[in-house]
Amino acid sequence: QQQVKQSPQSLIVQKGGISIINCAYENTAFDYFPWYQQFPGKGPALLIAIRPDVSEKKEGRFTISFNKSAKQFSLHIMDSQPGDSATYFCAATKGSGTYKYIFGTGTRLKVLA
Amino acid sequence: KAGVTQTPRYLIKTRGQQVTLSCSPISGHRSVSWYQQTPGQGLQFLFEYFSETQRNKGNFPGRFSGRQFSNSRSEMNVSTLELGDSALYLCASSKQTGNEKLFFGSGTQLSVL
Repeated sequence: QQQVKQSPQSLIVQKGGISIINCAYENTAFDYFPWYQQFPGKGPALLIAIRPDVSEKKEGRFTISFNKSAKQFSLHIMDSQPGDSATYFCAATKGSGTYKYIFGTGTRLKVLA
Repeated sequence: KAGVTQTPRYLIKTRGQQVTLSCSPISGHRSVSWYQQTPGQGLQFLFEYFSETQRNKGNFPGRFSGRQFSNSRSEMNVSTLELGDSALYLCASSKQTGNEKLFFGSGTQLSVL
């Protein structure tokens, strides 16, 4: 019940295209779903996050879509740029108590110029 | 404001040795958590400390231990190193335990020969 399954493992997109990464969770107690972006040699950094009371959240070119009934959420990167090339991790946790973060296995995105 | 600082950046050890990794959180952050990152496995939660107390622990053997000091700095120790312990060890801090937003350091890359 603690897994977060992420797909695809790797993704190649042309510049200007849309990148889509999907995640599925099992534990219905989770109430916070962030996406982290990691560049080589750096630690992950929070990109965008959503709570289950909304179905979509948009910040610039990045959008999270959330489907509570299906227990799935996805990251959409519009107008993908070479600078977006990084590894993306979805995660799930409960924002109170002693719940730990559960991370997906990561998606390596490469945006071709 | 300085970010999360991890030292050292790189370590090479041999099997059977022990190692200590250090993490200085962002000033004012009281929670420190540790993650192991390996290719294909993503980020695996090791443990979290808050106010010098371990709040949560992942599914790692007892060879992995940690502690937190009164100034919120944290150390992680791995005894009797195995080849499979080779990984990037990431430290993350947050203001409070259970607080959703994590701030990661750049990690310590441990190689066990």
